[in-house]
Amino acid sequence: AQSVTQLDSQVPVFEEAPVELRCNYSSSVSVYLFWYVQYPNQGLQLLLKYLSGSTLVKGINGFEAEFNKSQTSFHLRKPSVHISDTAEYFCAVSRSMKTSYDKVIFGPGTSLSVIP
Amino acid sequence: DSGVTQTPKHLITATGQRVTLRCSPRSGDLSVYWYQQSLDQGLQFLIQYYNGEERAKGNILERFSAQQFPDLHSELNLSSLELGDSALYFCASSVDRTGRPSGANVLTFGAGSRLTVL
Repeated sequence: AQSVTQLDSQVPVFEEAPVELRCNYSSSVSVYLFWYVQYPNQGLQLLLKYLSGSTLVKGINGFEAEFNKSQTSFHLRKPSVHISDTAEYFCAVSRSMKTSYDKVIFGPGTSLSVIP
Repeated sequence: DSGVTQTPKHLITATGQRVTLRCSPRSGDLSVYWYQQSLDQGLQFLIQYYNGEERAKGNILERFSAQQFPDLHSELNLSSLELGDSALYFCASSVDRTGRPSGANVLTFGAGSRLTVL
């Protein structure tokens, strides 16, 4: 079974500073990887996804993530954060399958707080 | 607006009661997923339906049940409610068309139904 670990439950960072949110996964088969963001009092929305190909994936709002198969990691980065990036960030994994019936498993989340 | 509609937005009820949460997926999406989000458990996968059929089951209690109807909307039924069932319940949908070359489930989430059990 797949699982996702997000090592940091809370990450405070000053505005305009860079940030990295860490994600590690466990799976015995090939996977798809995702980052979702949840703003206060809202549902989750997709930031970016890795399906195959280039290991560096760019998403919305200036975020990017790098897939590292040997380290089973998919860390999320942004070179300069804004106040509006304050939110909960979830890493997620699903098995890579020809048909897309597989469930998506989420990590526990990392709360990013951007300090003015 | 994500296109996934969940009702009700808020629900307050008492222990031992039964409630039904409803979800209408985004137009064209055939799969519906239910997740429970609580402070201590995080985002837990409950169950997945594809075109009316159950496809995967997660940590769903026996007191909970779900179904997906022919018009693709889904309902999550929670019975014999306990204090610990208080949580945000999210529905998500994805396209999931058979034969897609990439089987990635990109989920579109609704705004959630907040259940408070007193």
